[in-house]
Amino acid sequence: GAVVSQHPSRVICKSGTSVKIECRSLDFQATTMFWYRQFPKQSLMLMATSNEGSKATYEQGVEKDKFLINHASLTLSTLTVTSAHPEDSSFYICSAPVSGSEQFFGPGTRLTVL
Amino acid sequence: AQSVTQLDSQVPVFEEAPVELRCNYSSSVSVYLFWYVQYPNQGLQLLLKYLSGSTLVKGINGFEAEFNKSQTSFHLRKPSVHISDTAEYFCAVTMDTGRRALTFGSGTRLQVQP
Repeated sequence: GAVVSQHPSRVICKSGTSVKIECRSLDFQATTMFWYRQFPKQSLMLMATSNEGSKATYEQGVEKDKFLINHASLTLSTLTVTSAHPEDSSFYICSAPVSGSEQFFGPGTRLTVL
Repeated sequence: AQSVTQLDSQVPVFEEAPVELRCNYSSSVSVYLFWYVQYPNQGLQLLLKYLSGSTLVKGINGFEAEFNKSQTSFHLRKPSVHISDTAEYFCAVTMDTGRRALTFGSGTRLQVQP
């Protein structure tokens, strides 16, 4: 089946720094990727839709200047958390639709901001 | 817009007992329905999905779910659980056309006890 990878799997950073998370589709092309955020013991909430060759679409309440998304190629989308603060600590998961209804998820990135 | 309600935040059950995890959804358009499992600090694994056709869907690890359109439900069942089934289970929905981001329920923690 299709594989989606994320890097890094875990990152710890100081408050005020920026962190980049990569999401790659390893054996298929993805013109669209989705970024979700999951707080501890909560569900996944869609943050934004990453579109190859165009601007990302952000969900209501998500700051586009804080969560920068770049879909540089058909296999790579990056999420950069700028000027991270402790409240940004969360589990970030990306996914990519493969066909029709099928959607594959990355393993997630655990971000801890000190 | 769609919404998903998982009525039980936690379900404790003894090993080898049957279990049902409840899921109800709301949508003004036709939808696809999914169940995912998440083990601690891991991404999501697809258990099963309903797209169309037979309302009884069989998935991996002995799980099955039944789509009930009149009750807008998609409950997950397993006739005999194992300790290894202890995990978080998410019900999710997406429109059957266009954008394919998922809307997730709040999750149900299945705790299988010996």
